[in-house]
Amino acid sequence: EDQVTQSPEALRLQEGESSSLNCSYTVSGLRGLFWYRQDPGKGPEFLFTLYSAGEEKEKERLKATLTKKESFLHITAPKPEDSATYLCAVQAPSSGSARQLTFGSGTQLTVLP
Amino acid sequence: SAVISQKPSRDICQRGTSLTIQCQVDSQVTMMFWYRQQPGQSLTLIATANQGSEATYESGFVIDKFPISRPNLTFSTLTVSNMSPEDSSIYLCSAIRGADQPQHFGDGTRLSIL
Repeated sequence: EDQVTQSPEALRLQEGESSSLNCSYTVSGLRGLFWYRQDPGKGPEFLFTLYSAGEEKEKERLKATLTKKESFLHITAPKPEDSATYLCAVQAPSSGSARQLTFGSGTQLTVLP
Repeated sequence: SAVISQKPSRDICQRGTSLTIQCQVDSQVTMMFWYRQQPGQSLTLIATANQGSEATYESGFVIDKFPISRPNLTFSTLTVSNMSPEDSSIYLCSAIRGADQPQHFGDGTRLSIL
């Protein structure tokens, strides 16, 4: 069974204080690892897809990296508008349908001004 | 990315009643999914909505409780039947436009059962 574990559950940062969120996964044959951002009252918003170990993707203050066992979402000099819950999800052959995602429980990020 | 609209955005329902949630995508998509997100928790897949055929349900979810329709490539409905307080949750629709595309989500339907 695919497993996705995110840590920490919650993270409070001061504006400008860089940090990383972790997503550890156990799957048989990773097809893709996805990062989403979810704001209160909204659906998840797609950020990145990573397919293979060593791959990196960047968007503004966010950078996602992937190893064979985990992914990191690095947040550089965060701003209060980066406050949200960040979700990690994996797609694998054992997940059932070709596009099915298994989600972690998320990291709730709060950036204080 | 696909724009996904869900209706209603929220509802408060009586125990024992049923509610149908609609999901409309602004363009044709290859796959549509329905998820449940309970308060403070992550997303759990309910089923894959198959166009023109019966949905594929995940373990723990059954068609009698969560009937799903997908009559065309842009629209799907999820019905929550015979509701109980345990069904209070956020129900989310997602869609994939094509191969190697990520899933995009609607903003969800917040359902409370009294």
